[in-house]
Amino acid sequence: EPEVTQTPSHQVTQMGQEVILRCVPISNHLYFYWYRQILGQKVEFLVSFYNNEISEKSEIFDDQFSVERPDGSNFTLKIRSTKLEDSAMYFCASSAYNTDQPQHFGDGTRLSIL
Amino acid sequence: LAKTTQPISMDSYEGQEVNITCSHNNIATNDYITWYQQFPSQGPRFIIQGYKTKVTNEVASLFIPADRKSSTLSLPRVSLSDTAVYYCLVGDFNAGNNRKLIWGLGTSLAVNP
Repeated sequence: EPEVTQTPSHQVTQMGQEVILRCVPISNHLYFYWYRQILGQKVEFLVSFYNNEISEKSEIFDDQFSVERPDGSNFTLKIRSTKLEDSAMYFCASSAYNTDQPQHFGDGTRLSIL
Repeated sequence: LAKTTQPISMDSYEGQEVNITCSHNNIATNDYITWYQQFPSQGPRFIIQGYKTKVTNEVASLFIPADRKSSTLSLPRVSLSDTAVYYCLVGDFNAGNNRKLIWGLGTSLAVNP
């Protein structure tokens, strides 16, 4: 079964540094998403992306965040100047355009800000 | 705000059937009901999705009454590996670009030997 892959599995970064989290969605999917989950808390929506542009974003997704699909396969989340509170698991997901198609998630990147 | 309410935790034993009920009183006409499973340090994994009546796949069954204000995920003959958090979500997957999922805290299922 095709799957969403994310790299790296764990990223450790100094506060104030930029990080880029990478995702390869399922190849025939058209919608892409980023979520985050702070340890012990619920999954939170960050942003959805379709047709090379953001289709929806949450209040968490401020100017420090950006997303990009630099080529036909990768989907990236960039955090420009990381803060301690950005430490979390970040999940990428993708879904097909067809109705009734659920979102499929990768196994996440654990981001640790020091 | 999450549109769903489900028990915080449940306990079961190997070989038993487990039913997790989710309340979604304000479900909209176009909303589908979707269940995900999450193991520690892994991404949520799609289990099953339905709109009305009953849906069954190789993993679970989903029962949805006529008023659609609740749904029940049924896991037949659970094993230790079914210990996970189970999330019930409602959303309109047909609503153009508005496909964000709003998550609650889910139900933490513990399967005991």
